[in-house]
Amino acid sequence: SQKIEQNSEALNIQEGKTATLTCNYTNYSPAYLQWYRQDPGRGPVFLLLIRENEKEKRKERLKVTFDTTLKQSLFHITASQPADSATYLCALQTGANNLFFGTGTRLTVIP
Amino acid sequence: DTAVSQTPKYLVTQMGNDKSIKCEQNLGHDTMYWYKQDSKKFLKIMFSYNNKELIINETVPNRFSPKSPDKAHLNLHINSLELGDSAVYFCASSPPGYNSPLHFGNGTRLTVT
Repeated sequence: SQKIEQNSEALNIQEGKTATLTCNYTNYSPAYLQWYRQDPGRGPVFLLLIRENEKEKRKERLKVTFDTTLKQSLFHITASQPADSATYLCALQTGANNLFFGTGTRLTVIP
Repeated sequence: DTAVSQTPKYLVTQMGNDKSIKCEQNLGHDTMYWYKQDSKKFLKIMFSYNNKELIINETVPNRFSPKSPDKAHLNLHINSLELGDSAVYFCASSPPGYNSPLHFGNGTRLTVT
């Protein structure tokens, strides 16, 4: 069966450290992978998209990698801040307009 | 300047009732969606409409009926509500393009008692 798993339900890190979140998938062949941020009581907000032929994408303190051999994407937040605390969701796009979401990782950055 | 707006934000109702959730987007997007987020925060697609036409209908009970009067609106009507329908329902929209990101509303928390 198809699965999208994010490494842990919750991750706590110290302010200033790099947070690394993992997204693993099985039985998908995604052309694109997206990462979203969700704050309590709000809808997910798009952060980054990476294509299957891209190894890495960066945006300010965010970095995403995509390894189609390992079927894995890593999401890094460098110099983390308490304001980065949120739930982060990965999403795979296989067909047109069809986005499947992972279960999310709740990140807490401790001051 | 809300991009994707849903109403109501909260909806508490009893089993067996019929209810509707409304969604409007002012982004000029062609595609709109309904997603359901359960208590474990798992976000699952229910429906997708492109220019008022249904293009995705995942395995959803036919008690759920989406209606798109125009491409800026996608409403969700639910008949004969059940306890298991309790969840947060998110509307989203996206511009044309295979890899377009989704813009989500802030959700409607439905509680069925």
